Amino acid sequence: DTGVSQDPRHKITKRGQNVTFRCDPISEHNRLYWYRQTLGQGPEFLTYFQNEAQLEKSRLLSDRFSAERPKGSFSTLEIQRTEQGDSAMYLCASSSGGQVRDEKLFFGSGTQLSVL
Amino acid sequence: EDQVTQSPEALRLQEGESSSLNCSYTVSGLRGLFWYRQDPGKGPEFLFTLYSAGEEKEKERLKATLTKKESFLHITAPKPEDSATYLCAVQVWGNKLVFGAGTILRVKS
Repeated sequence: DTGVSQDPRHKITKRGQNVTFRCDPISEHNRLYWYRQTLGQGPEFLTYFQNEAQLEKSRLLSDRFSAERPKGSFSTLEIQRTEQGDSAMYLCASSSGGQVRDEKLFFGSGTQLSVL
Repeated sequence: EDQVTQSPEALRLQEGESSSLNCSYTVSGLRGLFWYRQDPGKGPEFLFTLYSAGEEKEKERLKATLTKKESFLHITAPKPEDSATYLCAVQVWGNKLVFGAGTILRVKS
């Protein structure tokens, strides 16, 4: 179990630029999640994949955000035309699925995005 | 709207001083309640899942309990290494978790 890996750890960008983050889940996990966390708040759900299918997406998620999980392995989260309000920690998590009582999420260390 | 409220926002304890953290929730239908620990610069780390009122789970100095309206995380004789942010989350439908803002715990030796 090598854990959930996220890259990069930190990203500084200028307003209006596009950014892309990568997440490598635990290898046998078929569920993958993206969350966003700002200072002093808990993580906020963005989207969820079961294998390669994107099954849930937050209604709060702007059209500037898009996520993919080709072949059900790693995932990417792209933010187009970044705004200062996008500055946050972007967390990826994975799980092996099953019943609620088995739904233990393993989180990566996140990508800290700063939009100047 | 589903809501999770944690209290207190911050808690300072002396080593060995037991206390409890509270998580109250207002949800349409609870499927599970989760406790996570988060260290600075890291992602949350799973602690417990509770899914029915009356259930209790224990791990070392931590004990989580659940009622119909709230959950408590009891910390017995804490040590400085227990210092972290403790997050509560509920799963109501689908597969998303709704998190509270967390309680920042500092344990001084």
